[in-house]
Amino acid sequence: SQELEQSPQSLIVQEGKNLTINCTSSKTLYGLYWYKQKYGEGLIFLMMLQKGGEEKSHEKITAKLDEKKQQSSLHITASQPSHAGIYLCGAGPDDNFNKFYFGSGTKLNVKP
Amino acid sequence: EAQVTQNPRYLITVTGKKLTVTCSQNMNHEYMSWYRQDPGLGLRQIYYSMNVEVTDKGDVPEGYKVSRKEKRNFPLILESPSPNQTSLYFCASRGQGWGSPLHFGNGTRLTVT
Repeated sequence: SQELEQSPQSLIVQEGKNLTINCTSSKTLYGLYWYKQKYGEGLIFLMMLQKGGEEKSHEKITAKLDEKKQQSSLHITASQPSHAGIYLCGAGPDDNFNKFYFGSGTKLNVKP
Repeated sequence: EAQVTQNPRYLITVTGKKLTVTCSQNMNHEYMSWYRQDPGLGLRQIYYSMNVEVTDKGDVPEGYKVSRKEKRNFPLILESPSPNQTSLYFCASRGQGWGSPLHFGNGTRLTVT
């Protein structure tokens, strides 16, 4: 199976600060997904990164894939309380993504 | 509104009493899957289905059954629930294009006593 290790496990930041969450895979990455989860609720899709060192941005969130390092980073600029939640990365063992694995998540709290 | 609907949201049951958690999607997605989420273990895939009558095991299929008789529905069946199946369960579906994201339901919190 594929393991996705996220760091840090939890993070508390002051509103307005920047932060970075990392996701490292034990196996080859064919693509990587980032999701956000509010506590006890369903997951919301943020973005999907393709092979080739893709970098994507949406509002204040930027994510990048480095498949040589089997790693992805998610960066939030000027954090806001609305960014609080659990961020999860997800990937598959092949490019079908039928079997699918998630990291254990990074809990983010943003203090006003 | 495009959505994945799970029912019930909360369920408390006793060991050994068969139960079904329903999942329905209205997006005409071929792919559907079930996950359980546990503290410290994250989200783990139970089963997935690539199309009607096509299902396959995920990482933690023991103690669960699924069926896919219609495209829109993918129920999760626990024939003899045990306390270690107490968890938060999510159903998800995905469109056909490569890299299409999973769309998740709101979850079913199951407690087995």
